[in-house]
Amino acid sequence: DAMVIQNPRYQVTQFGKPVTLSCSQTLNHNVMYWYQQKSSQAPKLLFHYYDKDFNNEADTPDNFQSRRPNTSFCFLDIRSPGLGDAAMYLCATVGQNIQYFGAGTRLSVL
Amino acid sequence: AQSVSQHNHHVILSEAASLELGCNYSYGGTVNLFWYVQYPGQHLQLLLKYFSGDPLVKGIKGFEAEFIKSKFSFNLRKPSVQWSDTAEYFCAFRGNRDDKIIFGKGTRLHILP
Repeated sequence: DAMVIQNPRYQVTQFGKPVTLSCSQTLNHNVMYWYQQKSSQAPKLLFHYYDKDFNNEADTPDNFQSRRPNTSFCFLDIRSPGLGDAAMYLCATVGQNIQYFGAGTRLSVL
Repeated sequence: AQSVSQHNHHVILSEAASLELGCNYSYGGTVNLFWYVQYPGQHLQLLLKYFSGDPLVKGIKGFEAEFIKSKFSFNLRKPSVQWSDTAEYFCAFRGNRDDKIIFGKGTRLHILP
């Protein structure tokens, strides 16, 4: 059974049109992450939560926002997607120092 | 600065060859170390991990890795690779004073049948 679930698997949006990616977890983990992964590159951490404590990476563009309304859910909002934001977006949790990844959402920007 | 360095960006081997992928990290404290694998079109999966104890850890599919603290290294090995090992491999670590997991840039492994 999937423990970190990302919806949708594929998302197409238009240049400048806001988009929201969602992530849910059934593991009750305190820590949740959002990564951006472009082709043939390492996952790049955008931000992470420890409970509701939000930690933004210094080089994460302001265009990217996140919400965590409760332990189970976390959202990634891209306010004005550009062509350079096309990527795979990965959600992950950590429990007992092991990171669990979702299957990712592949975002295309037209 | 915290970082992970993977020595090889792209490795090509024939089936049954032995594999060693290099990984070095930079961190001034205790670490948890990981290797992740990403098969074509699939999501990241944990291959193996080191937290403490025996520095030689064994993972799935015949992979193993050795933590050498003095060298800040955590190299991945497999004595005999298979075509199905074709994938991208990421080394990562998490420092004891941080929630973040830092990834290396990855090594793309291509096994020739």
